[in-house]
Amino acid sequence: GQQVQQSPASLVLQEGENAELQCNFSSTATRLQWFYQHPGGRLVSLFYNPSGTKHTGRLTSTTVTNERRSSLHISSSQTTDSGTYFCAIDNVGDNSKLIWGLGTSLVVNP
Amino acid sequence: NAGVIQTPRHKVTGKGQEATLWCEPISGHSAVFWYRQTIVQGLEFLTYFRNQAPIDDSGMPKERFSAQMPNQSHSTLKIQSTQPQDSAVYLCASSPLGQAEVFFGKGTRLTVV
Repeated sequence: GQQVQQSPASLVLQEGENAELQCNFSSTATRLQWFYQHPGGRLVSLFYNPSGTKHTGRLTSTTVTNERRSSLHISSSQTTDSGTYFCAIDNVGDNSKLIWGLGTSLVVNP
Repeated sequence: NAGVIQTPRHKVTGKGQEATLWCEPISGHSAVFWYRQTIVQGLEFLTYFRNQAPIDDSGMPKERFSAQMPNQSHSTLKIQSTQPQDSAVYLCASSPLGQAEVFFGKGTRLTVV
């Protein structure tokens, strides 16, 4: 079945450093989303990005569909970026369930 | 737009009792999903509705879990005879039809004691 691999599993940064989170999947994704979750918090959609590059603020998502990978770049990290980042895909289309990675736990120290 | 609304935010039940969780999807969204999240298992798909019709319930424990969507503005997840292993955060999500972005509610934290 479809698998989603996220790396690294965890990451510790000093404030101001950049981060690159990776998501690899075993079959072509028709839908790909990056989510952020603060401990105990809601899953917040960061990007809906099945292909190409998208930017918002200090975040950039790049998905290379035919290579079955996506990345999330965080520039000039802040302590408020701490939390877990999930990649989720759907390779069936038409609103089927999302398949989830295990997440990358990010800690940004002051 | 208030987003996906889930109630209650927290629920504590005794073992063997019934728990009903509520979800109000974003207005106009025709796809509604239920997931649950635990530290051990991570995010698990439970079931999903399209235009109120059940489409895929492959993630639902068959015997004690049931979900309904009686109208386009709310869905319920019912767990009968709750067990400690049912303790989790239950998440409801909705999206428009098609290959579209999914939005999540804040979740209901269920604790079975």
